[in-house]
Amino acid sequence: DGGITQSPKYLFRKEGQNVTLSCEQNLNHDAMYWYRQDPGQGLRLIYYSQIVNDFQKGDIAEGYSVSREKKESFPLTVTSAQKNPTAFYLCASSIGQGINQPQHFGDGTRLSIL
Amino acid sequence: GQQVMQIPQYQHVQEGEDFTTYCNSSTTLSNIQWYKQRPGGHPVFLIQLVKSGEVKKQKRLTFQFGEAKKNSSLHITATQTTDVGTYFCAGPEGAQKLVFGQGTRLTINP
Repeated sequence: DGGITQSPKYLFRKEGQNVTLSCEQNLNHDAMYWYRQDPGQGLRLIYYSQIVNDFQKGDIAEGYSVSREKKESFPLTVTSAQKNPTAFYLCASSIGQGINQPQHFGDGTRLSIL
Repeated sequence: GQQVMQIPQYQHVQEGEDFTTYCNSSTTLSNIQWYKQRPGGHPVFLIQLVKSGEVKKQKRLTFQFGEAKKNSSLHITATQTTDVGTYFCAGPEGAQKLVFGQGTRLTINP
């Protein structure tokens, strides 16, 4: 069954700690995206990657980092520099460029501060 | 950067009533996509509109793309409790990014 798997579902971060959110897809999609969703808000783009070993900053990249070493994996690290990390994080993928193709989303990771 | 605005932010209806959400862009769009997010869930793609003035239907849902390709609407006829959720429109910015509207949260009184 193809899809996008995000883990963990819930994550708690201590002050000064970096945490990494996992995103894996078996859809053979080229493009992958990370979004942040705050309560009652839309989706804001953090980072995106159109191809392996290449990624671009989105609108709110500060305090976050990513890697794209494999086509199927696009982990997001929330660094200690991100002062307000509490949010719902969504990973998505699309066959080609997201502007012309539907984006498929994972179930998300809810990150909170301890 | 480009902005995509949605109104209303919230809408509460009685089951069986109609519902409409509107999406407006600050720039002309090559296409627009619509997504639905159920409470506690993730966004799910509904449809993409490409042509000026295009109208597409999915059962009780009617999607329209404006003639100037700067606005769009989603209309639900005779809402059901399964329609509860937040509806987002999204338009392209540049060649690689989608910009999402803030969404319209629909709640329904059964």
